[in-house]
Amino acid sequence: DVKVTQSSRYLVKRTGEKVFLECVQDMDHENMFWYRQDPGLGLRLIYFSYDVKMKEKGDIPEGYSVSREKKERFSLILESASTNQTSMYLCASRPRDSPYEQYFGPGTRLTVT
Amino acid sequence: GQSLEQPSEVTAVEGAIVQINCTYQTSGFYGLSWYQQHDGGAPTFLSYNALDGLEETGRFSSFLSRSDSYGYLLLQELQMKDSASYFCAGPSGNTPLVFGKGTRLSVIA
Repeated sequence: DVKVTQSSRYLVKRTGEKVFLECVQDMDHENMFWYRQDPGLGLRLIYFSYDVKMKEKGDIPEGYSVSREKKERFSLILESASTNQTSMYLCASRPRDSPYEQYFGPGTRLTVT
Repeated sequence: GQSLEQPSEVTAVEGAIVQINCTYQTSGFYGLSWYQQHDGGAPTFLSYNALDGLEETGRFSSFLSRSDSYGYLLLQELQMKDSASYFCAGPSGNTPLVFGKGTRLSVIA
């Protein structure tokens, strides 16, 4: 079974803190994604990566950055957390030759106070 | 642009059949995928349609008409555990899936 894990299920941070959300997948997938999910807004793409050291902006990249130093790991960084970044963050991965099926991690519910 | 429209909420009775529609506005989608997400959980893949027609997987079926830019997810013999949000998504090659905003299905006794 494909497994996508995220470093924390729940996280509480203060405004202005630098926040790291880690995601690891164990199936050698080329593509990895970070989404945030808010009620009524669905899944919004923040950043994605097609390969190691590659990154592309998604629909809402402002206030975020990413890092992919190893194929299995994709990190989302909030440079200076703000209250409007309180959300559920979901990481996903998929193989390059399978456009239909993405595998999601359990999510990190981040609260910024 | 790329967008997928689906109803925000649907309610159905246990044991019944429910259809969740999805229409899309885009060029370049290679078909349609469906995902299920229970409250507090992660989205999980249900099915996809690369070609027109009906795909059946147990109690769930999914349909696609590319000429109409339309698809649906059909859930039969509804069970309480089917209460969840359902998302349609459009794949277009090696680019990220574009998701609809989700349909919250409530199954009532």
